[in-house]
Amino acid sequence: EDKVVQSPLSLVVHEGDTVTLNCSYEVTNFRSLLWYKQEKKAPTFLFMLTSSGIEKKSGRLSSILDKKELFSILNITATQTGDSAIYLCAFTAYNTDKLIFGTGTRLQVFP
Amino acid sequence: NAGVTQTPKFQVLKTGQSMTLQCAQDMNHEYMSWYRQDPGMGLRLIHYSVGAGITDQGEVPNGYNVSRSTTEDFPLRLLSAAPSQTSVYFCASSYSIFYEQYFGPGTRLTVT
Repeated sequence: EDKVVQSPLSLVVHEGDTVTLNCSYEVTNFRSLLWYKQEKKAPTFLFMLTSSGIEKKSGRLSSILDKKELFSILNITATQTGDSAIYLCAFTAYNTDKLIFGTGTRLQVFP
Repeated sequence: NAGVTQTPKFQVLKTGQSMTLQCAQDMNHEYMSWYRQDPGMGLRLIHYSVGAGITDQGEVPNGYNVSRSTTEDFPLRLLSAAPSQTSVYFCASSYSIFYEQYFGPGTRLTVT
């Protein structure tokens, strides 16, 4: 059965720290991996990765996919309290039209 | 554009009651889906649709029905609510599975 595992489940840091969130997957016919940020309500899209080794970057957030080792990381540098959220990764596969999510990492950033 | 809208925002049901959660989008998206979110469980896919007239089951479809008669609307029906269906429900839409999904604000459902 296809699955995605995120770690850590929870993380507490201080403003200015750098964090790395992990998403490992076991997916037959893997197509893409997506990262979402969920604050109080609906998840919002961050990145979609389909090619290995290519870094996607937006401000202080960046993500990379390793298709050989079957994982992705999301880096946040110089964290701010506004980065406090649940970060979700999800995957798609070629043989299905489903988007399947991991359980998420809860990040708390304190001043 | 209103994006993805969901009604109601909150709902309390008694065990055995039925109800429909409404979802609509005005972005002309073909792909729509329903998720439930429980503490520590992430988002779990209930049902999805790749276009009007086409629906399919996700990871946790039992106890839920869907239909897709128009591109814009994708209602989720609970025929006989159970306490295990207490959750936050999110509807999402996108052009296709190849694109990022846009989520509605969610419906918080409590079944007593």
